[in-house]
Amino acid sequence: QQQVKQSPQSLIVQKGGISIINCAYENTAFDYFPWYQQFPGKGPALLIAIRPDVSEKKEGRFTISFNKSAKQFSLHIMDSQPGDSATYFCAAMRDKIIFGKGTRLHILP
Amino acid sequence: DTEVTQTPKHLVMGMTNKKSLKCEQHMGHRAMYWYKQKAKKPPELMFVYSYEKLSINESVPSRFSPECPNSSLLNLHLHALQPEDSALYLCASSQAFQVNYGYTFGSGTRLTVV
Repeated sequence: QQQVKQSPQSLIVQKGGISIINCAYENTAFDYFPWYQQFPGKGPALLIAIRPDVSEKKEGRFTISFNKSAKQFSLHIMDSQPGDSATYFCAAMRDKIIFGKGTRLHILP
Repeated sequence: DTEVTQTPKHLVMGMTNKKSLKCEQHMGHRAMYWYKQKAKKPPELMFVYSYEKLSINESVPSRFSPECPNSSLLNLHLHALQPEDSALYLCASSQAFQVNYGYTFGSGTRLTVV
């Protein structure tokens, strides 16, 4: 059973545009929602995270929006740059990390 | 030091070989993890060590044998692997198991079984 559903699978965005990745979860016991960024040949790196008592968190160009009632959360990357091209995993945690299937983001120069 | 260091970065082994993967962290984290990642897939949890004791084995075949010699080191011993075991093996650490904070991942060992 896929407990964290992530979309889209792949995304192409023009440089300077906004990249948006969406995730939905089922288990209301999850209490921590991290996003990981992974470049080819590297391990995932924690990008930004949010807890369910907060509706939005911003760090630089990266923003998480969280909708507890809808059990959905999303990552917005403002002013997307070619260096942002990577695979992004949303995740939910209750004792262990449950990853979404990932989104391959490509930013066109 | 805010890193998880994994060695070797690349490993090619035959199906009859015995090899080991190593992982080291000096962040004082008390939980350490082994993950397996296939191409275009998310990481899959294999083992969890909490305070140097094995807490979770996600039904991993016995040809993978984890070891935690101390709070900073984690090994994964490999024996009689199959070609389908070829993958990126990631080590991660966190402050403690079942405390929900971000994990720090290493860069992984790219394993090829021939």
